[in-house]
Amino acid sequence: NAGVIQTPRHKVTGKGQEATLWCEPISGHSAVFWYRQTIVQGLEFLTYFRNQAPIDDSGMPKERFSAQMPNQSHSTLKIQSTQPQDSAVYLCASSLQGYTEVFFGKGTRLTVV
Amino acid sequence: AQSVTQPDARVTVSEGASLQLRCKYSYSGTPYLFWYVQYQRQGLQLLLKYYSGDPVVQGVNGFEAEFSKSDSSFHLRKASVHWSDSAVYFCAARSSNTDKVVFGTGTRLQVSP
Repeated sequence: NAGVIQTPRHKVTGKGQEATLWCEPISGHSAVFWYRQTIVQGLEFLTYFRNQAPIDDSGMPKERFSAQMPNQSHSTLKIQSTQPQDSAVYLCASSLQGYTEVFFGKGTRLTVV
Repeated sequence: AQSVTQPDARVTVSEGASLQLRCKYSYSGTPYLFWYVQYQRQGLQLLLKYYSGDPVVQGVNGFEAEFSKSDSSFHLRKASVHWSDSAVYFCAARSSNTDKVVFGTGTRLQVSP
């Protein structure tokens, strides 16, 4: 079990460019979550999927951010026209069906210059 | 609104001393409760969890937490800390009718020699 895999671990983009972050959940896990972590805001919930369907995107900024889960083995978080305030560590997590704990990946550190 | 509060942003203790990190939750009913730890540049790892039953739950590395319904709290304790316990600790909660896990803002623990 390799755990939740996030790629890349680090990404630097120029202001206005697009960034795509990838997440491979643990095999068999049906729920996939995205969180954003910054020093100022702490750990913010962004969105989650269950069985590939979007369930709750209440934490997603309404503009420029989108998340997809095209199959059970990966999810993507896309940020269009990145801005310096998007700089953060983006964490992906997954969990089994039912009400168990979530398992986190090591995160992608996004830096917008 | 459902929320988790960690009132102490930073805690410093001496190696060998006892530790308590505070966590309060605001949920209707009793949520599932978790403590996670995040070491430098790592993802979050589960320390322990509470679903029901004995209010004192044991976790890894000598950590335990006590659930109190009357106080809406889930404080983390350790009898004797080690320098390697220096990390950020997150309290989290999940209600029984959703997958979504809500995190507190975290407490940074510094263990001094």
